[in-house]
This record gives sequence, C-alpha cells and structure tokens, in this order.
Amino acid sequence: SAVISQKPSRDICQRGTSLTIQCQVDSQVTMMFWYRQQPGQSLTLIATANQGSEATYESGFVIDKFPISRPNLTFSTLTVSNMSPEDSSIYLCSVVTDNYGYTFGSGTRLTVV
Amino acid sequence: AQTVTQSQPEMSVQEAETVTLSCTYDTSENNYYLFWYKQPPSRQMILVIRQEAYKQQNATENRFSVNFQKAAKSFSLKISDSQLGDTAMYFCALKETSGSRLTFGEGTQLTVNP
Repeated sequence: SAVISQKPSRDICQRGTSLTIQCQVDSQVTMMFWYRQQPGQSLTLIATANQGSEATYESGFVIDKFPISRPNLTFSTLTVSNMSPEDSSIYLCSVVTDNYGYTFGSGTRLTVV
Repeated sequence: AQTVTQSQPEMSVQEAETVTLSCTYDTSENNYYLFWYKQPPSRQMILVIRQEAYKQQNATENRFSVNFQKAAKSFSLKISDSQLGDTAMYFCALKETSGSRLTFGEGTQLTVNP
C-alpha cells in the first residue's frame, strides 16, 4: 500500500491567516481525498482532488475557503483560508490504492486562536 | 445516499476478553465495500479489516473478525483477546462500487482496561 507524508503535523495559527497542508505520496495515485475531523467527531470529506482538473467539493465546502492544488500524481496541498476558531480540527489526506484500500496521512492538528 | 451508523459512542473491555462493536449502514447498491478503521491518539487512521459485499464469508484478520449480515445491513467487529494497544477510536466505513468516496460512521471509543 502507499505511504503518505503529511506536513505539518500540527500548527497553532492566528485567526484571519491561512495554512497550507501538504501530502506527498510515495507512488502515483489518481485520486486524493481531503477530510476534516472536528474535535471528537468523525471524518467528513472536504473534496476529491484529481491531477489536471479542479477539485470536486462536497456540500458545505467551497473553493475560496479550502483551495486545493494537485500539480502531479504524487502531491497535493489543502489551504485553510481566513481561519477562524471554528476551523480548529484535524485535517487528513487519503489515497485509494489497489483493491479499494484507502491509506491516510498522519493528520494535521490545527488550532486557531 | 449512503449512511453509516455506529450506535455505541463508548465501550470498554478487560484485557484478554472479547468485545463486539456494532455498525449498521444503508446503501441502494448491491456491490460495495465495508471497512473498520482504528484511530489511536496518534491520529493515524489504520485499516483493521475489509469486507467485500459480494463475499458471503466473513473477513478475519488475526484477532479481528467481522459479522457481516447483508440483508440486515449490519457489519459488526469482534476483537478477541483484547490488548491494551487496541485502545482507540474505531470507525466503520462504506464505499459503494459506483463511487470513490468513503462514508464514515460516528465512531466508537474503545478502552481496554488492564
């Protein structure tokens, strides 16, 4: 299965600023997924990122708030823009490998103060 | 729309004993995949076990096994000989064959007591 390196592992940010989270995969993958996990809750899909096309966002998530880049088949970034305390969450990236196995990054714990 | 429900927010078990975590789901498709993921305090999502809906035989991975009841849309996880390292949040998840998204349940926090 694929190995994902996700950075940063955690950050504390001021409200109104932006944070970019990176995920690097050790193999080429078609789809990358970005999830948000609010404190004590389950994972919610933010968007699906395919290389060479615009990301597809889920209901309740917009590109202006969560812009995503996917420049090649091994890398993606998620930016959390104009942050507020409500954005404090764990953000995870994920890829699907063979036989529908999903691998996750180690997560980014974001705290907005 | 696909949904996944875990009705047990928290469970506890004594070390070396057996525990069963419940999961029910809803989907309009006949072919799909079900998963149990473990998330320890490190935040890493770890695949515990996977079941393909077209397979009648229940999946087994060492101390972990599932009871897959397709007609009842139930997918429970049994952990045998529980170990302290099993303490984690456990998520049930569903993926329909026609799509790529993974839908998660609310999670069950399992604590293994010494």
